[in-house]
Amino acid sequence: QQQVKQSPQSLIVQKGGISIINCAYENTAFDYFPWYQQFPGKGPALLIAIRPDVSEKKEGRFTISFNKSAKQFSLHIMDSQPGDSATYFCAASIVNNAGNMLTFGGGTRLMVKP
Amino acid sequence: GAGVSQSPSNKVTEKGKDVELRCDPISGHTALYWYRQSLGQGLEFLIYFQGNSAPDKSGLPSDRFSAERTGGSVSTLTIQRTQQEDSAVYLCASSLVAGTSSGYTFGSGTRLTVV
Repeated sequence: QQQVKQSPQSLIVQKGGISIINCAYENTAFDYFPWYQQFPGKGPALLIAIRPDVSEKKEGRFTISFNKSAKQFSLHIMDSQPGDSATYFCAASIVNNAGNMLTFGGGTRLMVKP
Repeated sequence: GAGVSQSPSNKVTEKGKDVELRCDPISGHTALYWYRQSLGQGLEFLIYFQGNSAPDKSGLPSDRFSAERTGGSVSTLTIQRTQQEDSAVYLCASSLVAGTSSGYTFGSGTRLTVV
């Protein structure tokens, strides 16, 4: 019930293309869904997050799409750039539950080719 | 400081030795987490501290691993009698309070190599 499944494990996209990473969860109590971006040698950094009261959130070239009925959410990177090459982690948690931590997906290694 | 600080950034140790890894969380963050990341792999949860509550140690892989958090701030992860399979990057993160939408702030990690 606590798992978050992420796919694909790796992704190669041409510069200017759209990168799409998908996550699925089981626990319907989850109500906070962040994405983290990790560059080599660095810790993951919060990229964008969504609450389930909206179906989409956009910040620049990054968009989260959220499908509550399907228990799925995805990250779309528009006009992908070589500088976007990194590992991306989706996560989920329950807000206002002090004992609940983020549950992370397994990560997706994105490579954007010039 | 402005971010989560971890030290050392790199540590090479001989098999069988003990190591201590340090994490300075963001001031005011009451929740602190340790994760392990093997080369090219995901984030393996180790231990979580929330305020003065007993830590959640459910992710510690063996009794060779322990952690403490003094005064609700700095945390130390100790690995006793290190083994080669302990080689990984150890990441620390902190957040204002667990269970909020404030997100985690991660440090840059300590790369541990056991030879």
